[in-house]
Amino acid sequence: QKEVEQNSGPLSVPEGAIASLNCTYSDRGSQSFFWYRQYSGKSPELIMSIYSNGDKEDGRFTAQLNKASQYVSLLIRDSQPSDSATYLCAVVASGGSYIPTFGRGTSLIVHP
Amino acid sequence: ETGVTQSPTHLIKTRGQQVTLRCSSQSGHNTVSWYQQALGQGPQFIFQYYREEENGRGNFPPRFSGLQFPNYSSELNVNALELDDSALYLCASSRTDRDSYNEQFFGPGTRLTVL
Repeated sequence: QKEVEQNSGPLSVPEGAIASLNCTYSDRGSQSFFWYRQYSGKSPELIMSIYSNGDKEDGRFTAQLNKASQYVSLLIRDSQPSDSATYLCAVVASGGSYIPTFGRGTSLIVHP
Repeated sequence: ETGVTQSPTHLIKTRGQQVTLRCSSQSGHNTVSWYQQALGQGPQFIFQYYREEENGRGNFPPRFSGLQFPNYSSELNVNALELDDSALYLCASSRTDRDSYNEQFFGPGTRLTVL
């Protein structure tokens, strides 16, 4: 059973702070890693993809991947109230299926 | 906007009825995946279609079935509806080929309520 674990939160941060969201996965051979943002009542929106160890930056978002520790994180700099949402981690395991397994998501609240 | 569309937006059915949900994939994509998302949970994989063939299936009973058409649009059919089938049903579109990363883009979802 391939598992993706996320702390359900809520994670509460003040406006302007860095929000750090974490995700661990069980399949050591996992290849592709995605972060989705989901506003209440809406569908998930892809915000970051990462495939190699290290950091990947896109605007205020940075994804960090450590395959040895089976850990992927998302940093949101200068957090805004509009970043308040649930953040889903998705992992594509080894085996060539291209089917991601999703975590249950972390709720982020950015308060003014 | 992802270019992935789903219909209907909302649906109310009663136990034992059958339902068909529809999805149109993003231009250039050849793969459609269906997910069920209960409140407070992550999306649970139902099945995936690639070039009109089922390409993987999650832990869902046979009363969940699907189709993909030559234009890569897709249907999800659920027979003998149960109360626990009440959820948000998500369709995700992607491109499966050797050079792509198979990023999935979601449609707006169909909210199904079973009474």
